[in-house]
Amino acid sequence: GNSVTQMEGPVTLSEEAFLTINCTYTATGYPSLFWYVQYPGEGLQLLLKATKADDKGSNKGFEATYRKETTSFHLEKGSVQVSDSAVYFCALKIDYQLIWGAGTKLIIKP
Amino acid sequence: GAGVSQSPRYKVAKRGQDVALRCDPISGHVSLFWYQQALGQGPEFLTYFQNEAQLDKSGLPSDRFFAERPEGSVSTLKIQRTQQEDSAVYLCASSLAGEYSGANVLTFGAGSRLTVL
Repeated sequence: GNSVTQMEGPVTLSEEAFLTINCTYTATGYPSLFWYVQYPGEGLQLLLKATKADDKGSNKGFEATYRKETTSFHLEKGSVQVSDSAVYFCALKIDYQLIWGAGTKLIIKP
Repeated sequence: GAGVSQSPRYKVAKRGQDVALRCDPISGHVSLFWYQQALGQGPEFLTYFQNEAQLDKSGLPSDRFFAERPEGSVSTLKIQRTQQEDSAVYLCASSLAGEYSGANVLTFGAGSRLTVL
């Protein structure tokens, strides 16, 4: 079946550190891949997406590359800020179905 | 409106009570989804509407759960005879087009947090 696995949190980093949140997937067919972010008290917001292999999604300094050979879509940012503290969700989409990871809480300390 | 609006934001119900959760999607959005999000987990699909048609309700956990979107805009998720395991955040999301396009993006509401005592 289709599934998404992402690294467990919380991930705690100092400001300006390099961030990687791992995401791997299992899917039948050719999914689109997404990263959503959930700030405290707010709804899920799309952070970035990629619709085919080797595509790179990017937004707000975050990047992720759709790697079909490793079935991965790892989220990276070169220098995190306190305002990046949130829960990050990796998701895949097949037809209209979104399949979600469990989320990774990111805590950035000043 | 500018975003997806859900109400109430918080609901406390006694076990056995019926609850109704409302979703106002972005005006003109064709697709509407309901998800259930347990604490510390990702959202789980409940049901999908395209306009007023409920195309998939396979994620509804039991026949106590019912969703409708009679005029293709506002949607209501109803839970009858609530149980403690129904405690979760219920998320509504909408998108402009039909959902078979991989690039189509959902806009989420802030959710309705249900606590069943």
